Amino acid sequence: QSALTQPASVSGSPGQSITIFCTGTSSDVGGYNSVSWFQQHPGKAPKLLIYDVTKRPSRISNRFSGSKSGNTASLTISGLQAEDEADYYCSSYTTTSTSLYVFGSGTTVTVL
Amino acid sequence: EVHLVESGGGLVQPGGSLRLSCAASGFTLSSYWMSWVRQAPGKGLEWVAHIKPDGSEKFYVDSVKGRFTISRDNAKNSLYLRMDSLRAEDTAVYYCVRNGIVITFGGAPYWGQGTLVSVSS
Repeated sequence: QSALTQPASVSGSPGQSITIFCTGTSSDVGGYNSVSWFQQHPGKAPKLLIYDVTKRPSRISNRFSGSKSGNTASLTISGLQAEDEADYYCSSYTTTSTSLYVFGSGTTVTVL
Repeated sequence: EVHLVESGGGLVQPGGSLRLSCAASGFTLSSYWMSWVRQAPGKGLEWVAHIKPDGSEKFYVDSVKGRFTISRDNAKNSLYLRMDSLRAEDTAVYYCVRNGIVITFGGAPYWGQGTLVSVSS
């Protein structure tokens, strides 16, 4: 069960916007609106940022937004802040895995 | 407020067994899909197993099929993961996760703090 493809690292300066891409196939990202994004700080449990491609839990800042085009989903962080430095994972429902869901390989965001 | 608290992790020898528990509170367990996710040291996240709200269907990642069993006791507000024939590569922090009422929508908004399983001789 191959992980979804994410860039290993992305960086940006405070106040800038960055976008993390998550590439899958028509059997996962492209076929279902079941894409989520998680943020994980070192030693902490992951936190849900985006679900169902574009929806944001009420407690999550509107600086985080999600979208999808074809087999690629994306997470955009606008107004980058020091606290956004963390690992980010996408996840999608999949029909190619008996585990129902698959994570992306993860992206480390560095705030310069 | 939703709380998920894992327990049962520890050091076990290769080939050994362990049972993880997750105590759920603040919501009606019987309404939600539940899952276990693991993270090996310095590695990414991996969905391990999912279980339907009534326990009637279970799904596993290939690497644990036949060795791990997910179960739940809704009356006791608890989720379990029985792990047999443990291998070094099962060493990870294991998280209890609450999904949505429908597995394909709602994401995974609630996570426990995790419990560490170490498989080593």
